[in-house]
Amino acid sequence: EADIYQTPRYLVIGTGKKITLECSQTMGHDKMYWYQQDPGMELHLIHYSYGVNSTEKGDLSSESTVSRIRTEHFPLTLESARPSHTSQYLCASSRGLTTRETQYFGPGTRLLVL
Amino acid sequence: KNEVEQSPQNLTAQEGEFITINCSYSVGISALHWLQQHPGGGIVSLFMLSSGKKKHGRLIATINIQEKHSSLHITASHPRDSAVYICAVIGGTSYGKLTFGQGTILTVHP
Repeated sequence: EADIYQTPRYLVIGTGKKITLECSQTMGHDKMYWYQQDPGMELHLIHYSYGVNSTEKGDLSSESTVSRIRTEHFPLTLESARPSHTSQYLCASSRGLTTRETQYFGPGTRLLVL
Repeated sequence: KNEVEQSPQNLTAQEGEFITINCSYSVGISALHWLQQHPGGGIVSLFMLSSGKKKHGRLIATINIQEKHSSLHITASHPRDSAVYICAVIGGTSYGKLTFGQGTILTVHP
């Protein structure tokens, strides 16, 4: 069982609020990822990190921002939530520097912005 | 056209049936993942393949690098296998980033 956690699991919030989705892993993995998935649709990478103080934007443009101050923690922030941000957000991590590493996924956060 | 295509998109089976889900990709890859996503749940990595075949319990995954094709087989399917199965590839230079297929929704009836 992979040790990667996301909180909250569900969040309903009003337009304009600032929110932070938490992701933590206890496996000491260097790489961490944030994916966005609309219902019935593909997952899309929105942010990734190779390690502390390293963050990059993914393939899908997102208004969210991320930070990586500690290896185990990779929070995602929306400064001003909008209904278009309603989606599921999945965090993942993988070990090492090669491409052939299994990604371990968190349980996801379902966000609804009213 | 997506870089990763899965078929079928929806699959309904009776308990005990042998199931095959296919994945074709159009880019060079270093590895391919099969993932399972249950309704309302997170995602579990079932297999990571770079060549050949892997087996875990009733699940078998194969990959043909030359044909750019992978299959996920479930033998003796069970209702608890009902989930979305997702194929995802890691490109040769994508530093571990996954490109996902659209998923196959599998429903197994008792």
